[in-house]
Amino acid sequence: DVKVTQSSRYLVKRTGEKVFLECVQDMDHENMFWYRQDPGLGLRLIYFSYDVKMKEKGDIPEGYSVSREKKERFSLILESASTNQTSMYLCASSLSSLGSIAKNIQYFGAGTRLSVL
Amino acid sequence: KNQVEQSPQSLIILEGKNCTLQCNYTVSPFSNLRWYKQDTGRGPVSLTIMTFSENTKSNGRYTATLDADTKQSSLHITASQLSDSASYICVVSPSSGTYKYIFGTGTRLKVLA
Repeated sequence: DVKVTQSSRYLVKRTGEKVFLECVQDMDHENMFWYRQDPGLGLRLIYFSYDVKMKEKGDIPEGYSVSREKKERFSLILESASTNQTSMYLCASSLSSLGSIAKNIQYFGAGTRLSVL
Repeated sequence: KNQVEQSPQSLIILEGKNCTLQCNYTVSPFSNLRWYKQDTGRGPVSLTIMTFSENTKSNGRYTATLDADTKQSSLHITASQLSDSASYICVVSPSSGTYKYIFGTGTRLKVLA
């Protein structure tokens, strides 16, 4: 089974702190994603990575950056946390965006619930 | 604007009953449609995925249907169990090879004993 592991289930940080959210997948997937999930809204894409050191902005990249130095690890960075970044953050991976539909099924981590005070 | 709308927002049913969740989308072009189950406090898990040429897909007690002409999909749950209590999310992919999926806001299902 594919396993996507997010390093923390819950985090509480102060406004202005630099925050790192880590995600690791164990299936050699090419693609990794960071989403945030807020009540009443669908998942919104923050950043996407299709290879090591490669990234694409999603729909809401402002206030976030990412790092993918190794294929299995994708980090989300909040440079200076703000209260409006309080949310559930979900990491996902998929084998590929090309080829059969089965290759781009996304596998999600359990999520990190971040509270910024 | 590409949108995915799900109904109802929430639903309560008794254990053993069937239910149907709806998904309407205004996404063009269209490649495929997925249904995910998300347990409280967990990440979504894929249930089914259908391309425009498929009109039904089953996964155990879950059966998804797709009408690409009317841009509607439904997820039917048969003989519900307590463990079916979760949010069900409909996701549409605008084209093959894209990473920008369009997520619905989900239907929250509660199954009571």
